[in-house]
Amino acid sequence: AQSVAQPEDQVNVAEGNPLTVKCTYSVSGNPYLFWYVQYPNRGLQFLLKYITGDNLVKGSYGFEAEFNKSQTSFHLKKPSALVSDSALYFCAVRDWTGNQFYFGTGTSLTVIP
Amino acid sequence: DTGVSQNPRHKITKRGQNVTFRCDPISEHNRLYWYRQTLGQGPEFLTYFQNEAQLEKSRLLSDRFSAERPKGSFSTLEIQRTEQGDSAMYLCASSLTRNEQFFGPGTRLTVL
Repeated sequence: AQSVAQPEDQVNVAEGNPLTVKCTYSVSGNPYLFWYVQYPNRGLQFLLKYITGDNLVKGSYGFEAEFNKSQTSFHLKKPSALVSDSALYFCAVRDWTGNQFYFGTGTSLTVIP
Repeated sequence: DTGVSQNPRHKITKRGQNVTFRCDPISEHNRLYWYRQTLGQGPEFLTYFQNEAQLEKSRLLSDRFSAERPKGSFSTLEIQRTEQGDSAMYLCASSLTRNEQFFGPGTRLTVL
């Protein structure tokens, strides 16, 4: 069975500081991992994915994520947070077919000016 | 790029009534997913279509729920005999690959 966990419901960070949103995964087989962002009254938007290859994955809006197999983690990072990054972030994993996706419970990020 | 559209955006119904939601995916996308999202939770997978074929359905999905994608284009999700526990945001997503999904804005269902 595939699942992801987001241990923090809320993350606060000052504007300009680096941010990290945590995600751990549990999969049978190879992990296929994703990050999505949800702004108020808008649909989820894809940020980045890890399928294979480099452990550091770069995505949209300056976000990146680090895949760590030994720690079964896939943390989302950004070197310098913007107030406009304030949103709800979801980690997700899919099964090997791509037919089912499993999302975490989400982390609300607030960037403080 | 018109994106994924969902209608209606909001639906208020009384317990016991049937409701139907529509999703129009991005035109060339053959993969279509339905999810349910409640407050404080992430999207919960409901069902998956590849073209017109329904290939996956969540084991947690009640038999009051049914979905169709008759011509491999738009899809409908019907809930029969709605219950208060069905109140949620229903999300549709489409994709061309097994990876990046494009989500619609959702239909918010309130069952009174």
